[in-house]
Amino acid sequence: GAVVSQHPSRVICKSGTSVKIECRSLDFQATTMFWYRQFPKQSLMLMATSNEGSKATYEQGVEKDKFLINHASLTLSTLTVTSAHPEDSSFYICSARAKKTGPYGYTFGSGTRLTVV
Amino acid sequence: QQPVQSPQAVILREGEDAVINCSSSKALYSVHWYRQKHGEAPVFLMILLKGGEQKGHEKISASFNEKKQQSSLYLTASQLSYSGTYFCGRLSRSARQLTFGSGTQLTVLP
Repeated sequence: GAVVSQHPSRVICKSGTSVKIECRSLDFQATTMFWYRQFPKQSLMLMATSNEGSKATYEQGVEKDKFLINHASLTLSTLTVTSAHPEDSSFYICSARAKKTGPYGYTFGSGTRLTVV
Repeated sequence: QQPVQSPQAVILREGEDAVINCSSSKALYSVHWYRQKHGEAPVFLMILLKGGEQKGHEKISASFNEKKQQSSLYLTASQLSYSGTYFCGRLSRSARQLTFGSGTQLTVLP
């Protein structure tokens, strides 16, 4: 089936530093990838839609300059949390839609647990 | 605005049945159902594409009432492995963006 690989799975960083999270589609091409954020015991909230070769589309309330998204190839999208603060600590998950998953099915990466200290 | 799910949490014994409801204030063109274990990514269960459609997946099935903008997930003869948080998902009209529901935490006890 369709596989999305996400790295790192866990990261701890100091406040004020930047962290990059990678999301790769291993066996399919993804022109569009999605980034979600999930706080403890809450639902997944869509942050942005990453479009290959063009600018990402951010959801309302998500800071573009803080969460930088780059989708340079059909198999890789990256999310960089810049100048991270403790309130950015969360579970970040990427997803992509692959035809293998069936019509309109989405495949998710394994997620990245970010802790900012 | 995300779809609202009910109940928020349910605890049941192995072998019992459960129903999880999903209601959307926006039009539902299709409904997705996912299950997420703690600390893991959501796992796709099924998609319902047409109003009135019902789908089955072993002992897990779902229905979709397009007019009422509602969907329900049915878990019969639950197993311990069914424990997790269940999310419904609403696909945007462009069929690109997936908005998750509020979630239902299901705990199956032995």
